[in-house]
Amino acid sequence: GAVVSQHPSRVICKSGTSVKIECRSLDFQATTMFWYRQFPKKSLMLMATSNEGSKATYEQGVEKDKFLINHASLTLSTLTVTSAHPEDSSFYICSALPDGTFSNQPQHFGDGTRLSIL
Amino acid sequence: SQKIEQNSEALNIQEGKTATLTCNYTNYSPAYLQWYRQDPGRGPVFLLLIRENEKEKRKERLKVTFDTTLKQSLFHITASQPADSATYLCALGGMDSSYKLIFGSGTRLLVRP
Repeated sequence: GAVVSQHPSRVICKSGTSVKIECRSLDFQATTMFWYRQFPKKSLMLMATSNEGSKATYEQGVEKDKFLINHASLTLSTLTVTSAHPEDSSFYICSALPDGTFSNQPQHFGDGTRLSIL
Repeated sequence: SQKIEQNSEALNIQEGKTATLTCNYTNYSPAYLQWYRQDPGRGPVFLLLIRENEKEKRKERLKVTFDTTLKQSLFHITASQPADSATYLCALGGMDSSYKLIFGSGTRLLVRP
């Protein structure tokens, strides 16, 4: 149980393109999801907390107009990288917390999206 | 400044030995700490959680300790197997009322057959 599906797994596109990444909780509902960015051999850096039915909470230094988050249902959050440039190339990973979870319970992660901007 | 430190160098051990990974933190007061495993090109998978009032947790061949005085957690894998080769991440949580986790950069474990 507690499966999170992230799509697409890999994207290669031209500079200036906007890219949408989907994160779905397949067998549970998740009011709260998270979006992370990971550079090679580096830690997961939290970008934002996605809340169903309300605005996402962005971490300091993350441009909300650049990284648009929409959490329109209890099983789907999307991250759109707008007008992507080569410096946006990275590994983006989402996670979800099953509803009813206590704060110390684990997050369930998708398998990430490798974004490459040419 | 706030820091979470895990050994950046890979830990290379012989199959059957015990692997010990370290997670040290500075200027954080976590209510709990979690350990995850991450394979190349995949998302992290949860392994163990330990709360600030717990000294040790075990699950099969895994053991985690948490010393809030030293600000350190140790993660042990006994009777290691080549399949245990992966990157292991520690994550601090409960620093505020949110569900956020702050991750270390991970330690890569290589278990030689």
